[in-house]
Amino acid sequence: GEKVEQHESTLSVREGDSAVINCTYTDTASSYFPWYKQEAGKSLHFVIDIRSNVDRKQSQRLIVLLDKKAKRFSLHITATQPEDSAIYFCAADYNNAGAKLTFGGGTRLTVRP
Amino acid sequence: AQTIHQWPVAEIKAVGSPLSLGCTIKGKSSPNLYWYWQATGGTLQQLFYSITVGQVESVVQLNLSASRPKDDQFILSTEKLLLSHSGFYLCAWSRTGGDTLYFGAGTRLSVL
Repeated sequence: GEKVEQHESTLSVREGDSAVINCTYTDTASSYFPWYKQEAGKSLHFVIDIRSNVDRKQSQRLIVLLDKKAKRFSLHITATQPEDSAIYFCAADYNNAGAKLTFGGGTRLTVRP
Repeated sequence: AQTIHQWPVAEIKAVGSPLSLGCTIKGKSSPNLYWYWQATGGTLQQLFYSITVGQVESVVQLNLSASRPKDDQFILSTEKLLLSHSGFYLCAWSRTGGDTLYFGAGTRLSVL
């Protein structure tokens, strides 16, 4: 099955700087790569995703890059704010029926004032 | 607008006791439904998913079972809890496979 590795378990940046979280996956059949955010003690909510037919997607301060050859994707958060502090999970969907999502281990992002 | 409700919010249970967790989705017909488990400080493990009423696929069982008795309801249960069942259980729905997951608020389970 698919394995997703999230390379940074913790990340600390200064407010206003950019944060980058990197993930790699193993299954070349994976075609959908979402990112989720979990604030302390809470559930997850969706932040952004990218599909394999594009290599870049942006939504306001969030940019996702996908390198299919390297089986790598990354989340870039620009102009970070304290409310960006949370755990971020990347995921890859390796089942083309779309019902199976494998998550990375999570990255705890801290934005320092 | 669609809403997802999980119950209970939290449970403290004894080893060997039964468990039933529930999830209801309102405002969306025929959603895909999912159960995830998160160990404290850990990643998410998909447990089950369901594409239609009465059909549930197991991804990782962990001595748990799931059922979808109605289109908008997903139940996670076991007859005998283990210590290893402790964690955060999340129900989620999506419109189709390969689409955004919308998570419920979760149930925190402590098995003692």
